[in-house]
Amino acid sequence: AQKITQTQPGMFVQEKEAVTLDCTYDTSDPSYGLFWYKQPSSGEMIFLIYQGSYDQQNATEGRYSLNFQKARKSANLVISASQLGDSAMYFCAMRGGYNFNKFYFGSGTKLNVKP
Amino acid sequence: EAQVTQNPRYLITVTGKKLTVTCSQNMNHEYMSWYRQDPGLGLRQIYYSMNVEVTDKGDVPEGYKVSRKEKRNFPLILESPSPNQTSLYFCASSPFGGQSTYNSPLHFGNGTRLTVT
Repeated sequence: AQKITQTQPGMFVQEKEAVTLDCTYDTSDPSYGLFWYKQPSSGEMIFLIYQGSYDQQNATEGRYSLNFQKARKSANLVISASQLGDSAMYFCAMRGGYNFNKFYFGSGTKLNVKP
Repeated sequence: EAQVTQNPRYLITVTGKKLTVTCSQNMNHEYMSWYRQDPGLGLRQIYYSMNVEVTDKGDVPEGYKVSRKEKRNFPLILESPSPNQTSLYFCASSPFGGQSTYNSPLHFGNGTRLTVT
């Protein structure tokens, strides 16, 4: 069963504007970790931000923040002040609780930043 | 520099010809895993290893083998590749430390683009 859902295959955003990339997840484990990765056209996977299931505050890393709504099982990535270099594929991922060895990835969102 | 190194970056082969994709990490991570990335499907876990000589299947293990004889190395073996294994493959590692493990992100290699004709 699919554990991570990203419903936006592609998005456009104007440079310097904020953008939200959606991610919903499904798990019955009380402990889990949620991650966002960036994949530029060069192909490498870059870790952006992490949110733990017990964290009370939303995670932030520079221009990246994670809008964590536990009851809705959503973990949306917010990028503020978009830059041309933000154009990339973005993946939401979850590391399972009871089984720390399992990672689940969404299908990704392709973000294009327009000048 | 802390890194995960995969080789080769690109590989074109023919159906049935055995191949190995190597993966090595220098971060002393216990956990290593392999993924394949296909358009519209994201990354799917093939195999993972919790430590030397400890491996287990992920979600799409058919047609693949792995071994973990040393902590730093985790090769992916395709004994009889088929065209449906044409994909972008990633090796990744992370620390493994009990209850806090779920907050450990994966560190990825640069990927291996495999084409099977």
